Amino acid sequence: DQQVKQNSPSLSVQEGRISILNCDYTNSMFDYFLWYKKYPAEGPTFLISISSIKDKNEDGRFTVFLNKSAKHLSLHIVPSQPGDSAVYFCAARWPSNYKLTFGKGTLLTVNP
Amino acid sequence: EPEVTQTPSHQVTQMGQEVILRCVPISNHLYFYWYRQILGQKVEFLVSFYNNEISEKSEIFDDQFSVERPDGSNFTLKIRSTKLEDSAMYFCASSGQLSHSPLHFGNGTRLTVT
Repeated sequence: DQQVKQNSPSLSVQEGRISILNCDYTNSMFDYFLWYKKYPAEGPTFLISISSIKDKNEDGRFTVFLNKSAKHLSLHIVPSQPGDSAVYFCAARWPSNYKLTFGKGTLLTVNP
Repeated sequence: EPEVTQTPSHQVTQMGQEVILRCVPISNHLYFYWYRQILGQKVEFLVSFYNNEISEKSEIFDDQFSVERPDGSNFTLKIRSTKLEDSAMYFCASSGQLSHSPLHFGNGTRLTVT
């Protein structure tokens, strides 16, 4: 039961270019969508979120876009830096108890 | 910046033994969670805890699992009789009162059941 899907297991980009990470979901009940970054041997670190009533949220180099009709969101990182190399998880939140459902993650590698 | 802390970072136990994983959530947070990630798989929800009781639990969280907030700071996950398939990274998380507060995760406890 994959309610949150990240179809690309990995992505490789050059330093300074844009990284675009994609996520699809199936349940229109989700009220918030979040992106987390995870380094090996660490827990997921919150990056940015977007409410289901918005279509864009920006924070520095990170922008999340939400297309509700397509049930699709994306995370843009520009410019990408080598320190951005990590696994990125998309997560969707249930409004009832704020439980998160995660995608499988995308390993981003930013090459110098 | 306040953070969620988990101990131990790695726990090795024999099948059938009881384990207790410990977490100290961020001090003013009200919602507490346990998640786990089996190697190579996605992060999965186990249980949420609010106002001193379980608010929701997943199918994974069967009678072998329990959670407790024994004092004002600790939040524990107990597995009564561990199985090989319980081997995973266990993450504790907490969030604040505001509806848009994100979950903050600890660095996890790697549980290895032999």
